[in-house]
Amino acid sequence: QSVLTQPPSVSGAPGQRVTISCTGSSSNIGAFYPVHWYQHLPGAAPKLLIYDDINRSSGVPDRFSGSKSGTSASLAITGLQAEDEADYYCQSYDNRLSGWVFGGGTKLAVL
Amino acid sequence: EVQLMQSGAEVKNPGESLRISCKGSGYSFPSHWIGWVRQMPGKGLEWMGTIYPGDSNVRYSPSFQGQVTISVDKSINTAYLQWGSLKASDSAIYYCARQWGTTTRQDYNLFDPWGQGTQVTVSS
Repeated sequence: QSVLTQPPSVSGAPGQRVTISCTGSSSNIGAFYPVHWYQHLPGAAPKLLIYDDINRSSGVPDRFSGSKSGTSASLAITGLQAEDEADYYCQSYDNRLSGWVFGGGTKLAVL
Repeated sequence: EVQLMQSGAEVKNPGESLRISCKGSGYSFPSHWIGWVRQMPGKGLEWMGTIYPGDSNVRYSPSFQGQVTISVDKSINTAYLQWGSLKASDSAIYYCARQWGTTTRQDYNLFDPWGQGTQVTVSS
């Protein structure tokens, strides 16, 4: 059971928009810790997509965007492409656990 | 270019010991935390622990405290993750990643970049 809750899967057709939610609590996202997002392609190393809630990492297309409100954060992907098929993880810090925490991951399928 | 290069895949028997490595290049290795992350088969990412190469200060996740040892040799820009007695449940991919942030608060840190991962298989 992950401290940060993500939907196990989302899907969309090419060109569509999808969002992936990341729900935490008052000891992590709600405590104003930043949320970071990673893309994990099969057989590759995870890659930083979004840092500090809303900032795109270098080289990440502007089709990817992050937002945060209260105890939740979201990753939005517009103009879906086949190459976006991957697992996506949110990450933050939890002061009750005194450590960094990841969401359970969301598998994105591009139909 | 900042890079982390991990040691190769390992196949071990239960009860054996193991140390895997993570070598950093392209940046000041002693000045950035290195974290270790586990991915069990078909599962998500789990933070295991983090070390500061400059002074070998280590923080462990409560879930992994006592189960693994994290160490570093800053003279060769290399961090290590080791087990004294492996179990089948230790079979997983293990990633190292540089941890850094846009503020001085360590708890705000993210993981970037990541090593390519080390597959550890424990089976009799």
